[in-house]
Amino acid sequence: IAGITQAPTSQILAAGRRMTLRCTQDMRHNAMYWYRQDLGLGLRLIHYSNTAGTTGKGEVPDGYSVSRANTDDFPLTLASAVPSQTSVYFCASSEGAGNTEAFFGQGTRLTVV
Amino acid sequence: KQEVTQIPAALSVPEGENLVLNCSFTDSAIYNLQWFRQDPGKGLTSLLLIQSSQREQTSGRLNASLDKSSGRSTLYIAASQPGDSATYLCAVRLTWGSNYKLTFGKGTLLTVNP
Repeated sequence: IAGITQAPTSQILAAGRRMTLRCTQDMRHNAMYWYRQDLGLGLRLIHYSNTAGTTGKGEVPDGYSVSRANTDDFPLTLASAVPSQTSVYFCASSEGAGNTEAFFGQGTRLTVV
Repeated sequence: KQEVTQIPAALSVPEGENLVLNCSFTDSAIYNLQWFRQDPGKGLTSLLLIQSSQREQTSGRLNASLDKSSGRSTLYIAASQPGDSATYLCAVRLTWGSNYKLTFGKGTLLTVNP
């Protein structure tokens, strides 16, 4: 059982470059989320999707975009990376948007130089 | 705005000791509360989920309690082991407009010494 798969595991990216972080889940969960984790700031929600075809902005959406073309995939795109986007990015999913348990991927460590 | 606080930020205990990690939140209108474990350089592993209507949940040596009215949850770890060393995070789920999100505390770094 794979659960949530994120790729790449880590990446060093030049500032100004475009980058897509991939997230795939095999649990048929309706809701998916992207968080970033930074030292001293904890985990913050970037974007979310309650169901395929819908997306919404979280706490820190600027500089990021997402799409949800199907149930399984929820890619996160940085259109033009900046050093402040250096972080560890986690994708998560839950069966529904509400009262259900959330599961996390192993993370993508991104360094923007 | 919901704020989640975890105290202490770090805790070091000898093996075999029972311990309690604390989590407090400012908005009591939560749907559920979830405790996670995070090992260094790894993702989050779900430990326990407490629904808003529940007072506690147990899994093995772990017991989590929830007191919505006071905005508090505790994670009790019995007979701690070195393998329990990790960062423990609590998160509350609440409505945000018509949507839902998890708001996380910053975690408690637990070290269990052999």
